[in-house]
Amino acid sequence: DGGITQSPKYLFRKEGQNVTLSCEQNLNHDAMYWYRQDPGQGLRLIYYSQIVNDFQKGDIAEGYSVSREKKESFPLTVTSAQKNPTAFYLCASSWRVGNNEQFFGPGTRLTVL
Amino acid sequence: QQPVQSPQAVILREGEDAVINCSSSKALYSVHWYRQKHGEAPVFLMILLKGGEQKGHEKISASFNEKKQQSSLYLTASQLSYSGTYFCGTESNTGFQKLVFGTGTRLLVSP
Repeated sequence: DGGITQSPKYLFRKEGQNVTLSCEQNLNHDAMYWYRQDPGQGLRLIYYSQIVNDFQKGDIAEGYSVSREKKESFPLTVTSAQKNPTAFYLCASSWRVGNNEQFFGPGTRLTVL
Repeated sequence: QQPVQSPQAVILREGEDAVINCSSSKALYSVHWYRQKHGEAPVFLMILLKGGEQKGHEKISASFNEKKQQSSLYLTASQLSYSGTYFCGTESNTGFQKLVFGTGTRLLVSP
């Protein structure tokens, strides 16, 4: 079955530690995205990638980093520079950036203690 | 800039209708609508492109007024399964742009 997988579903980390969230898709999509979701604030774009080895900052990129070495993978690292990292993180993909349906993964809930 | 959705929340009885609005201060190329159930991933409903075409899927339809930079989602004869949070995502009028999502409208349909 085609789709997007994110792991783990729940993640706990101590303050000051970097953590990497996994996102894999087998839909053969060129574009991939990372969103952060906080209660009452909708989906906010962290980073997106239009093609392998290329990515752009979204609206809230500070304290995050990404890589896109393979078409199917777009890992997100939450660094210690992110002031308030506890949130629900969603990965998505689409054929290309723009007026294309985005397919979302199940999300990772990160809690920093 | 984030589009504004209204209302923020709505409660319906099964069979009633609802309208959710999405308004942007920028000229738009497309508007996307998604529904998210609690603890789950958002699911795509439809895309509306510049041109004002109204789209529909069963009893859920939407319109896009590009002059007013507004879109409305219409849910008719609501079902229990319609409950969730609805998000609009807007793409600026140059096309091939990232989406900016609204803060969502929570819809609860009760028996």
